[in-house]
Amino acid sequence: EIVLTQSPATLSLSPGERATLSCRASQSVSSYLAWYQQKPGQAPRLLIYDASNRATGVPTRFSGSGSETDFTLTISSLEPEDFAVYYCQQRTNWPLSFGGGTKVEIK
Amino acid sequence: QVQLVESGGGVVQPGGSLRLSCAASGFSFSSYGMHWVRQAPGKGLEWVAFIRYDGSDKYYADSVEGRFTISRDNSKNTLYLQMNSLRAEDTAVYYCAKDSSSGWGGYYCDYWGQGTLVTVSA
Repeated sequence: EIVLTQSPATLSLSPGERATLSCRASQSVSSYLAWYQQKPGQAPRLLIYDASNRATGVPTRFSGSGSETDFTLTISSLEPEDFAVYYCQQRTNWPLSFGGGTKVEIK
Repeated sequence: QVQLVESGGGVVQPGGSLRLSCAASGFSFSSYGMHWVRQAPGKGLEWVAFIRYDGSDKYYADSVEGRFTISRDNSKNTLYLQMNSLRAEDTAVYYCAKDSSSGWGGYYCDYWGQGTLVTVSA
């Protein structure tokens, strides 16, 4: 099973700041990695797929990069609605797997 | 618009069984694979199972293999998860999710239901 490790666990930032979230895979997943956003009491939302492609309706301030084992989700300038938990997910091997999440909180 | 509505959650004793349903609308259900993903209280997401658009292939997390069965009825636009031999650690909100690509599958989840809570407790 591919293990995804996200860091940091918590990121404390102010609105307008840049957020950089990391996801590291235990083995190569090529570019088959997605990012999701989850707000309290809500279902997750797909943000990025195949490492760098924004899903439908996702603002351009969200961008993804990386390949093989190291991936990054960047939020260029945090809006109030961006404070949430973010998860990465790989689709290279069965079973599919999610990372443990990074909480982006207001500083 | 895509809608996924889960039902069937509740409280069940350890060792018991439960069947979850997910009613789908707003897309061609029979053309897409479907997933179940769960989230224990206060914890992260855990992928549970996937079924291909035509039911021909099914995949499971190691933690549920042999106890849970995913199935679908394309004539009813409904996804199911039969859960047997339930354990306390199966307590979670269970989400159904639509696969991101039609046909063989993209294996990402692009639309999610609101989830149904399963509590396993004596």
